[in-house]
Amino acid sequence: NAGVTQTPKFQVLKTGQSMTLQCAQDMNHNSMYWYRQDPGMGLRLIYYSASEGTTDKGEVPNGYNVSRLNKREFSLRLESAAPSQTSVYFCASSTGSSSGANVLTFGAGSRLTVL
Amino acid sequence: TQLLEQSPQFLSIQEGENLTVYCNSSSVFSSLQWYRQEPGEGPVLLVTVVTGGEVKKLKRLTFQFGDARKDSSLHITAAQPGDTGLYLCVPIQGAQKLVFGQGTRLTINP
Repeated sequence: NAGVTQTPKFQVLKTGQSMTLQCAQDMNHNSMYWYRQDPGMGLRLIYYSASEGTTDKGEVPNGYNVSRLNKREFSLRLESAAPSQTSVYFCASSTGSSSGANVLTFGAGSRLTVL
Repeated sequence: TQLLEQSPQFLSIQEGENLTVYCNSSSVFSSLQWYRQEPGEGPVLLVTVVTGGEVKKLKRLTFQFGDARKDSSLHITAAQPGDTGLYLCVPIQGAQKLVFGQGTRLTINP
């Protein structure tokens, strides 16, 4: 079972370049999330999609855009990368239940460096 | 948005010692989850606590949900190097916006 797949695993960008991080899940989950994790820190929510066709801002949305392409795929775009966006990005998905059954399954992460 | 605090932020202890880490908020949660993240990997669910006062055990790990459902603790007995990692709590509050605490980074020294 693939679970949550993120690409690319590693990326180096120059300031001002753009890129898209891809995320796909094969668990038929309704909800998908993008988090960033700075060195030695916890996870901060960038954007989430509670269900197909909806997206909402998280804690740190500035500088990012997202697209819920279909139920399986949720992409994160950096239009003009900045050094402050150097981080490890995690995609996650869940059933979307409002109960404790709403378990997050994470991808392996995408390490982004902006020079 | 609830303010969620985890403490301590960092903890380094010797193998065999006991420890407790905390997840506190001023808000009431319908349930709360604990995750552990090992270096280079994504977080993995340890447990979900749902009922106020609930205690759940996972081998040497004991999780407790506060009576008022505003706080939770994780106690590890006889810590092992394999317990090393970042421990994260996240409240389930009915909405889909799942915001984690800043985590407790635990190091168990052999």
